[in-house]
Amino acid sequence: EVQLVESGGALVKPGGSLRLSCAVSGFTFSDAWMTWVRQAPGKGLDWVGRIKSKTDGATADYAAVVKGRCTISRDDSKNTLYLQMNSLKTEDTAVYYCLLNLDYWGQGTLVTVSS
Amino acid sequence: IELTQSPSSVSASLGDRVTISCRASLHISNFLAWFQQKPGKAPKSLIYGASTLHSVVPSRFSGSGSGTDFTLTISSLQPEDFATYYCYQYSDDPHTFGQGTKLEIK
Repeated sequence: EVQLVESGGALVKPGGSLRLSCAVSGFTFSDAWMTWVRQAPGKGLDWVGRIKSKTDGATADYAAVVKGRCTISRDDSKNTLYLQMNSLKTEDTAVYYCLLNLDYWGQGTLVTVSS
Repeated sequence: IELTQSPSSVSASLGDRVTISCRASLHISNFLAWFQQKPGKAPKSLIYGASTLHSVVPSRFSGSGSGTDFTLTISSLQPEDFATYYCYQYSDDPHTFGQGTKLEIK
């Protein structure tokens, strides 16, 4: 069974930093293209960014609203995806989900940015 | 690439056939997926490649379209189908979602 478990969500002040993790099991993680998606309270789904598999170059692309503030990385030895978020803004408040290929979703982790 | 879903919400009865549309602002071939989300839950993957169902998705769901116009059809609504549906394009970066279509019980 494929499982994705996000962690790292917290209450953080504007301007702060946070690193989210997504631990994957039951799938050959190194072959997966991994995506971060977020959902602000009461809103729709928003694409944050994606990292390709190592075979495909392990390059990452980002939504304009987070580019320069967020970095997506992966550790294939730990089957884990990361999202480093810096200079957090109140509008970054959301549930953050990881998505494996187009197939499997994590349960989400809540990030609240508030003073 | 902007995705526009219609309608934004729809009311339907058990057993009804429902169609949700998704229009892309640029040609995206068949690089379109559909996701289902229930309140308080993570999304679930339904369709990729515009028309290919994930293995665990019931056959009453179907997808069609190519280029700029796509549809998700549910042939006979079941109680568990009442949810919000999102289309998603992965043709070009940045990937984008439609705004969602809320399917409610009439």
